[in-house]
Amino acid sequence: GENVEQHPSTLSVQEGDSAVIKCTYSDSASNYFPWYKQELGKGPQLIIDIRSNVGEKKDQRIAVTLNKTAKHFSLHITETQPEDSAVYFCAARQAGSARQLTFGSGTQLTVLP
Amino acid sequence: DAGVIQSPRHEVTEMGQEVTLRCKPISGHDYLFWYRQTMMRGLELLIYFNNNVPIDDSGMPEDRFSAKMPNASFSTLKIQPSEPRDSAVYFCASRTGTGRDIQYFGAGTRLSVL
Repeated sequence: GENVEQHPSTLSVQEGDSAVIKCTYSDSASNYFPWYKQELGKGPQLIIDIRSNVGEKKDQRIAVTLNKTAKHFSLHITETQPEDSAVYFCAARQAGSARQLTFGSGTQLTVLP
Repeated sequence: DAGVIQSPRHEVTEMGQEVTLRCKPISGHDYLFWYRQTMMRGLELLIYFNNNVPIDDSGMPEDRFSAKMPNASFSTLKIQPSEPRDSAVYFCASRTGTGRDIQYFGAGTRLSVL
């Protein structure tokens, strides 16, 4: 099955700086890579996703990059704000009929004012 | 739509008791997922349903856990008997069968087994 590793487990940045979270996956057949944000006391919410036929995707201050050869993908948050503080999860979905996602272990991002 | 609705939000019970967690998916969604979140193991998929039929329950930790989906708008996750190591946050998520692969999560049920 798929295995997703996520780094770092915790990340502190100053407000206005950029934050980068990295994930690697094991199954080269995986073709869909979402990122979820989980705020305290809430369930995870999708913030951005990318498919394997695309190398980069951007949505305002958030971007995701994918390197299929190296089997890794990254989340980039620019101009961080205090409300970006949360736990971020990467995930991968294998190609084929399976519909489940395999999640990384999460990154606690703290944006310091 | 109100999103995925889970109940109760918090459950405190004693070891050996039966626990039932409930989930109402988003109307029209074909897939329903049950996850467990702990500090040690992160977010684990327990079981998922497609059109009310269990597809993969390989993540269910042991026979004490069972899940049902009697209709398209309701699912339960039952633990019987409960043990302290079952303490975790349990999430339900749903998604459509077509289009983007977005899973919508409920707010979760925080279970504490004493």
